[in-house]
Amino acid sequence: AQKITQTQPGMFVQEKEAVTLDCTYDTSDQSYGLFWYKQPSSGEMIFLIYQGSYDEQNATEGRYSLNFQKARKSANLVISASQLGDSAMYFCAMRDNNNDMRFGAGTRLTVKP
Amino acid sequence: NAGVTQTPKFRVLKTGQSMTLLCAQDMNHEYMYWYRQDPGMGLRLIHYSVGEGTTAKGEVPDGYNVSRLKKQNFLLGLESAAPSQTSVYFCASLTPTSGGRTAQYFGPGTRLLVL
Repeated sequence: AQKITQTQPGMFVQEKEAVTLDCTYDTSDQSYGLFWYKQPSSGEMIFLIYQGSYDEQNATEGRYSLNFQKARKSANLVISASQLGDSAMYFCAMRDNNNDMRFGAGTRLTVKP
Repeated sequence: NAGVTQTPKFRVLKTGQSMTLLCAQDMNHEYMYWYRQDPGMGLRLIHYSVGEGTTAKGEVPDGYNVSRLKKQNFLLGLESAAPSQTSVYFCASLTPTSGGRTAQYFGPGTRLLVL
């Protein structure tokens, strides 16, 4: 079964700086998708960005970009110009060839003023 | 356009009671998912559906059943609730990947307490 690993339980970043949240995955599928989500303290789950395994370019959505390194099986999230409102839990997830979804344990990001 | 809605928002059950959680989406998405999130943890997939009339087991399906009789609705049932099922339950829908943008949209969650 596929596995998602987020090795950073907590991260701190200064406001207006960029931050990278790590995610590695393990799968034998050729076709899969990678997702990142934000969960603020209010509890809702917010979709941020998606990368397909066959996408040649890294995905970008506003201040979010996904650094996809297929050979290394990593899908790191980069947040540019951090804002105080970016403080939240961030989850990486993968959808496999059967549309099954697996999530990592999450990284708590704290943005310092 | 309400997106993904979940009913109820909060429920307290006694051990052995049954209940059904309702998820509805108005975005015409084919794929729907039920997850649970325990304190301090990520989401774990319970069951999912890739279309009307189809369901599949996820990572933690035991003690739960699901049905997808209509495309817009995905029901999660607990036949005999146990304290280990105390959790926050999230429903989500997913856009198809054949062309267009892929995204997953979540409902607000249902907080379930089993005593």
